Amino acid sequence: GAGVSQSPSNKVTEKGKDVELRCDPISGHTALYWYRQSLGQGLEFLIYFQGNSAPDKSGLPSDRFSAERTGGSVSTLTIQRTQQEDSAVYLCASSLDPSDQETQYFGPGTRLLVL
Amino acid sequence: SQKIEQNSEALNIQEGKTATLTCNYTNYSPAYLQWYRQDPGRGPVFLLLIRENEKEKRKERLKVTFDTTLKQSLFHITASQPADSATYLCALDNYGQNFVFGPGTRLSVLP
Repeated sequence: GAGVSQSPSNKVTEKGKDVELRCDPISGHTALYWYRQSLGQGLEFLIYFQGNSAPDKSGLPSDRFSAERTGGSVSTLTIQRTQQEDSAVYLCASSLDPSDQETQYFGPGTRLLVL
Repeated sequence: SQKIEQNSEALNIQEGKTATLTCNYTNYSPAYLQWYRQDPGRGPVFLLLIRENEKEKRKERLKVTFDTTLKQSLFHITASQPADSATYLCALDNYGQNFVFGPGTRLSVLP
């Protein structure tokens, strides 16, 4: 597969449970971004990984949110003790080299619903 | 295939002037068009969203227009300041499906 993939595509969980969302970026892309989008809203930046640099976590809304990127490739976004307001589409994107303003390629997203 | 173009890779303007950035798209019928600001080494920050049935949206010194016939959006920053220097990205969205960013325009506001 040549594109960014995300799993699961849909996730329904109960309030208070933890969830893990996975992103497989395009091979060779050094930058990886996580965003979330609530219905009818703009994209909200969450976290940005670039190579081996410390990630930019400035967009994470609370300490219940964390993300890892292992081996510079696959990334996992974890939400602990989910709340109903966490319901959104979580999008992952990767780009070849952000210093050249390379286009971000988006995955299909994970639709999270917290009941 | 879908395509988004932004007027130029880089735009230099004098402080106090109005910056106008253009976003054109083809083969897409977005429900929303959005503008983001991105600073070097940071993720994009959402600025404004305009719906397909809206012609214009304003927020402080920012103004966005959306012409679905021309398939074009214009993004204006009035009374520009050096702090407005950044890359500005337009993005298309169709109710959460098929979200696509444009390549961005690097704006430099010169003092």
